[in-house]
Amino acid sequence: DTEVTQTPKHLVMGMTNKKSLKCEQHMGHRAMYWYKQKAKKPPELMFVYSYEKLSINESVPSRFSPECPNSSLLNLHLHALQPEDSALYLCASSQRWAEGASGNTIYFGEGSWLTVV
Amino acid sequence: GQQLNQSPQSMFIQEGEDVSMNCTSSSIFNTWLWYKQDPGEGPVLLIALYKAGELTSNGRLTAQFGITRKDSFLNISASIPSDVGIYFCAGQLKGGSQGNLIFGKGTKLSVKP
Repeated sequence: DTEVTQTPKHLVMGMTNKKSLKCEQHMGHRAMYWYKQKAKKPPELMFVYSYEKLSINESVPSRFSPECPNSSLLNLHLHALQPEDSALYLCASSQRWAEGASGNTIYFGEGSWLTVV
Repeated sequence: GQQLNQSPQSMFIQEGEDVSMNCTSSSIFNTWLWYKQDPGEGPVLLIALYKAGELTSNGRLTAQFGITRKDSFLNISASIPSDVGIYFCAGQLKGGSQGNLIFGKGTKLSVKP
């Protein structure tokens, strides 16, 4: 089973709203990721969590706030977003993450479509 | 930043034809991953490659990790309509962060029945 589950599938929010995207995996993976994907472009890394600790933040604006409550769950809290933040947000996981270590396979969820109005 | 050159950008083929796409870089990679993405869905892993020269098959799909570690190709044999989608290569740099996959720009495949 290589399943990463994301909710909601679609989200429409106003620029003053606060909402959250949720991600869950039960593969025992200790690394989880958030990616952002705009139409016709490849995914872009936002955050990496390793053993529930934030390891990488790719200079993401503070209106995106990640949270990793436990090894199976990853949230992305959204506040005061802009219309240009509308995109497909992808959660992913892998067995581990480590700087400079050998290859690792990353599995993606189905994504959450976010529209900011 | 690091770049992967993925080609072709798009392909229009007849059902039953074979397909070939590749990714190249000037950098050395220690992992190559090939994904397929359908509209509105997340990327689905097709094949993972970890060693130079490795040739791996998954049904009608075959992928190889180039011997120089700077390239990889994906072949699809006897294409069918459900092969339609965008195929991405993604690599992890030798000595780089595992979390940071470098993606190609994708190959959009269209199959005519």
